[in-house]
Amino acid sequence: DIQMTQSPSTLSASVGDTVIITCRASQSINSWLAWYQQKPGKAPKLLIQKASTLESGVPSRFSGRGSGTEFTLTISSLQPDDFATYYCQRYNSFSFFGQGTKLEIK
Amino acid sequence: QIQLVQSGTEVKKPGASVKVSCKASGYTFSSYGIGWVRQAPGQGLEWMGWISTYNGHRNYAQNFQGRMTMTTETATSTAYMELRSLRPDDTAVYYCARESLFGYYLFADWGQGTLVTVSS
Repeated sequence: DIQMTQSPSTLSASVGDTVIITCRASQSINSWLAWYQQKPGKAPKLLIQKASTLESGVPSRFSGRGSGTEFTLTISSLQPDDFATYYCQRYNSFSFFGQGTKLEIK
Repeated sequence: QIQLVQSGTEVKKPGASVKVSCKASGYTFSSYGIGWVRQAPGQGLEWMGWISTYNGHRNYAQNFQGRMTMTTETATSTAYMELRSLRPDDTAVYYCARESLFGYYLFADWGQGTLVTVSS
């Protein structure tokens, strides 16, 4: 089974900062990588699919890059609404989520 | 608009079974598969499985093979997930989600979640 490893597990930042979250696959998954945002008590929200394609309505300060085994989610100019937990997910050959990155206010 | 409405909170004893429902509306049910994802308290997301609402084909995550059954009922646009031989570590919020146009296991629309508590 192809495992997904996210880092860091926790990230502290301030409004206006730019942050990068990394997700690594144990084997190549081409670009079959999605990013979700989850807020406490809510279902996850799909932000990015195919590693870099932004879902409709998602602000352009979110961006995704990568292919193969290494992927990044960049959030530029952090807004108060962005403090949440972020998960990567591979969606080829079944699916697996990363363990999550909690983005906290510094 | 697309909605997935799940059944309510369940409390079960170890060894029991639970069946969670997920009623879809706002789209053609048989055109999009349904996935199931769970989240234990304070933990991350765990993909459980996926079912085609078109032909009933199922894919189960290895952790749930043999203990979980997914079904659908086209007449009522409802998907079901049954988990058997429950253990305390099955305590979690269980989500159903509709597959995206871009991938069977890619989920753009989610139910509100069903809390299942397993405790003696």
